[in-house]
Amino acid sequence: AQSVTQPDIHITVSEGASLELRCNYSYGATPYLFWYVQSPGQGLQLLLKYFSGDTLVQGIKGFEAEFKRSQSSFNLRKPSVHWSDAAEYFCASRDNYGQNFVFGPGTRLSVLP
Amino acid sequence: DSGVTQTPKHLITATGQRVTLRCSPRSGDLSVYWYQQSLDQGLQFLIQYYNGEERAKGNILERFSAQQFPDLHSELNLSSLELGDSALYFCASSSRTVSNTGELFFGEGSRLTVL
Repeated sequence: AQSVTQPDIHITVSEGASLELRCNYSYGATPYLFWYVQSPGQGLQLLLKYFSGDTLVQGIKGFEAEFKRSQSSFNLRKPSVHWSDAAEYFCASRDNYGQNFVFGPGTRLSVLP
Repeated sequence: DSGVTQTPKHLITATGQRVTLRCSPRSGDLSVYWYQQSLDQGLQFLIQYYNGEERAKGNILERFSAQQFPDLHSELNLSSLELGDSALYFCASSSRTVSNTGELFFGEGSRLTVL
């Protein structure tokens, strides 16, 4: 069955430091992959998506993610974190046939001043 | 603004009561998804509708039901409410056009508090 795991429940980084949030998926073929961000009390906002082509994708707010088929991973990165990046981050996948969306459990990011 | 509208934003009710949450998808989106988000369970998929028909079912309780109307708006009905039903309920919509990867666009959610 399709699944998404995010090994880190909570990550704390200092403002200005680099960030990498991990995501692993389980699916027979290459799924469509997404990263969403949820600020407190808000809905989920799409940061970026991958479905084919260049394995390094750029998103909004300075985020990027790299698809690695060999590792079944789609890690989210940002070179320099801002205090406003503190939020919950969800990795998600969609299969190629229907619209079966699966979300990971989320990683909560805290940013120290 | 995602284009997905959910009402009400906040709702406080008592155990045993029934509530209806409403969702208007983005213009042109045929698919509507409902999710429940609670502190201990994370984001749980409840149900999906496509152009008025139920397409997929997740961890939706029998006390909960949903439907999508001809104008594509959707309603989630929660009955015989229990304390544990307190959560944030999200609606999301998606397009299935060929050129679209079918990402979900989320509303801001309806926060339900059951006392």
